Parts: sequence; structure tokens; C-alpha cells
Amino acid sequence: DTEVTQTPKHLVMGMTNKKSLKCEQHMGHRAMYWYKQKAKKPPELMFVYSYEKLSINESVPSRFSPECPNSSLLNLHLHALQPEDSALYLCASSQEFSAANGYTFGSGTRLTVV
Amino acid sequence: ILNVEQSPQSLHVQEGDSTNFTCSFPSSNFYALHWYRWETAKSPEALFVMTLNGDEKKKGRISATLNTKEGYSYLYIKGSQPEDSATYLCAPTGGGSYIPTFGRGTSLIVHP
Repeated sequence: DTEVTQTPKHLVMGMTNKKSLKCEQHMGHRAMYWYKQKAKKPPELMFVYSYEKLSINESVPSRFSPECPNSSLLNLHLHALQPEDSALYLCASSQEFSAANGYTFGSGTRLTVV
Repeated sequence: ILNVEQSPQSLHVQEGDSTNFTCSFPSSNFYALHWYRWETAKSPEALFVMTLNGDEKKKGRISATLNTKEGYSYLYIKGSQPEDSATYLCAPTGGGSYIPTFGRGTSLIVHP
């Protein structure tokens, strides 16, 4: 299995909802990442987990809460989002934090906040 | 966060044309440069990770070169095909971080 699987592919949520994005990989990669990408902009790093521990939080608002329950799974819990949080959320993984072989990306979750 | 510039922003070519585009980045404290191809509605796909000055990598009709002293990388596509249509992202790492900073990408459209 050489894929990163993200679910759901599309999500529409209200500003008072709580939802979660899920990311899964079975390549034995020990680093996992959440990126946010808005139209016409480059992907922006949100969080990095290395060996299931949060290594980097790029000053992301607390309405986004990451979780790494095990080495294969990465979640992003969403609560009280704003319309400007609408974006494509990409998950990625790499063998190690140094990413010497690059990242493997999922196809993303397209989030719309209404 | 590194300052990464990619040019051109978009490019339209005819099938069979060869093309190239540029990624510029700060040359100090360089660690590695990633290139990704991102087709619409698909996942970004890693093409190359380059670390050494003067390095050249090749994958089929696509090749890339790296100049870490002056801070740029070129991506070349020989004999473009419609299936090469995608956004090509470069992402250098440096400044004490292993985490790559993505450029805005070059959008390539190859017309049959």
C-alpha cells in the first residue's frame, strides 16, 4: 500500500458544528503532516507529527485540534470554524521527519464552512 | 518560512514542445529541494528530492537541475504530452528546518 487515504473527500459544515478529518497510511511512515491550501496559494503547513508526537504547530487557531492515535492514523478535529477556514486540507506522510524521499500526499478534503 | 519564487506562473504549450520552468529560493542554510506534480483532483506526487549542488535527476521525460550556490532549480519536460498538464510545485528546505516551504507552482497546460 503506497497511498495516503483521506476521508471525507468533501465536507460542508456550519460554524457551530464539530467534525473530524481523517488521514491514514500503511507505509510505515513515522512523520505525518496537515497542510491547508486556499485557491491560487501554495500549501501552508499546519501541524507535524513525528513518531506520534506533535513536533510542530504553526500557530494554528485552537479551533483546529490534531490527534495522532497511532502511527498509521492522523485526525484533524474541527470546531467552531469560520467561513475563511474553507479550503483544501491535505494530509501527507514521510518515512522520517527529514523527508529524504519526499512526501506522499493524500488527495485532500475540500472543506466548506457555511 | 523561506521566500520561494516559481516562474512562470502558467504556461501553455503544444504537444511535442519541450519546456522548462524555474524555482528560486534563498541559498543560505540550504538542505534539500522537493519537486511535486499536482494534477487536478489528484494528490500531489513527489518527482524529485535534490540535495547536492550541481545535482541532476531524471524521471522519464522530466529532469531537474539544482544550483544551491545561487539558489535556483530548473525543471525540464522534453516532448510535452497532454498528460503532463499539471501544476508543478517546488519546495525547498533550509534555514534550520527540514520542513519544505512550497512555492505557488507553475501551471502547465499541454494542448494536443
